[in-house]
Amino acid sequence: QSALTQPASVSGSPGQSITISCTGTSSDVGGYDYVSWYQQHPGKAPKLMIYDVSDRPSGVSNRFSGSKSGNTASLTISGLQAEDEADYFCSSYTSSSILYVFGTGTKVTVL
Amino acid sequence: EVQLVESGGGLVKPGGSLRLSCAASGFTFSSYNMNWVRQAPGKGLECVSSITSSSTFKHYADSVKGRFTISRDNAKNSLYLQMNSLGDEDTAIYYCARNSDYTKPLDYWGQGTLVTVSS
Repeated sequence: QSALTQPASVSGSPGQSITISCTGTSSDVGGYDYVSWYQQHPGKAPKLMIYDVSDRPSGVSNRFSGSKSGNTASLTISGLQAEDEADYFCSSYTSSSILYVFGTGTKVTVL
Repeated sequence: EVQLVESGGGLVKPGGSLRLSCAASGFTFSSYNMNWVRQAPGKGLECVSSITSSSTFKHYADSVKGRFTISRDNAKNSLYLQMNSLGDEDTAIYYCARNSDYTKPLDYWGQGTLVTVSS
């Protein structure tokens, strides 16, 4: 299955808001509300930040929010903080495979 | 506390085999689907295999089909990945992760185990 498309990098200053896009097809992102977002710090395991497009697991800051329009999902980080500097991956259920498909990943840099 | 601890990684020659294990604790292991997700150095994530809670269904990415076998032992709260005919392209950190069904997210991940295929 093909990976979902994300920008390679996004940057912002502390306190700003940034948005990461995740583009798929009608067979995955556009067809289901089963998009998740993961944060990965260097040398660490991925951590679930958003699921079902816009829901946050317990303990995840409300500075993280998700949305979707058509075949593109988005993760917005508000009030950017130094600790938000990490790689972010989107993921979606897909009708073409039982296995989850992941995005290409976006490196977030806090300037 | 949910914990997933992978083991079994290491250095193996091309064409060789390796068996990964994932020990689960802090939740009812037999109620969850389990997955193996790998990440090649500096690359993205790839879900290579999944298994349903009672082992009824097993799925594999095309990249590993016919070479890797996923299994689990619910009595031992353990997940396994038998990897055969390993090639350079299999070099990666291998994570185990759980989800409650196919549409649910991978909500807990282990810390990963590194597999290096090199002569």
